[in-house]
Amino acid sequence: NAGVTQTPKFQVLKTGQSMTLQCAQDMNHNSMYWYRQDPGMGLRLIYYSASEGTTDKGEVPNGYNVSRLNKREFSLRLESAAPSQTSVYFCASSSTGTLNYGYTFGSGTRLTVV
Amino acid sequence: DQQVKQNSPSLSVQEGRISILNCDYTNSMFDYFLWYKKYPAEGPTFLISISSIKDKNEDGRFTVFLNKSAKHLSLHIVPSQPGDSAVYFCAADHDKIIFGKGTRLHILP
Repeated sequence: NAGVTQTPKFQVLKTGQSMTLQCAQDMNHNSMYWYRQDPGMGLRLIYYSASEGTTDKGEVPNGYNVSRLNKREFSLRLESAAPSQTSVYFCASSSTGTLNYGYTFGSGTRLTVV
Repeated sequence: DQQVKQNSPSLSVQEGRISILNCDYTNSMFDYFLWYKKYPAEGPTFLISISSIKDKNEDGRFTVFLNKSAKHLSLHIVPSQPGDSAVYFCAADHDKIIFGKGTRLHILP
């Protein structure tokens, strides 16, 4: 039971480089989310997708784009990485109507931009 | 504007005693409140939740209390165990989940 799988687990980028963080879930969940976690800041929502074919901005969307490729996959793209985007990125998913159990999170991608 | 606030960055509790983690919120539209636990190098894991229409929910050693009039909730862990040492995030949901900044709980031997 894989749950939510994120790749890569670690990445170092130079300022200005681009990359895509991948996320896939195998629980047939409708909704998917991207969060970033910074020291002392908790988890902040970047983008989310309430269902296949839809995406919406969260609290801190600037500098990011997302694609809901299909029901399973939700990717996060940094077009031109900046040091301020150094963070740990978490993908999560949920099934509408099961909020009692909250979101299921992946294990995270630790990104360093130098 | 922080909608979910955890004002204690850290808390130390003796093993076997009660741990109480607190959380305040500002948005009266929140439907559900949740607690997540996070170990280093892992993603957060769901711990317990409570609907806004209830004032208490219990699951084993974990109990969450909700005081809507005060816009306050708390997580009680009894008895505290070494494996409870982690960061605990309070979260609240209306159409998406908003997280607090977390409280690091240390269980002392």
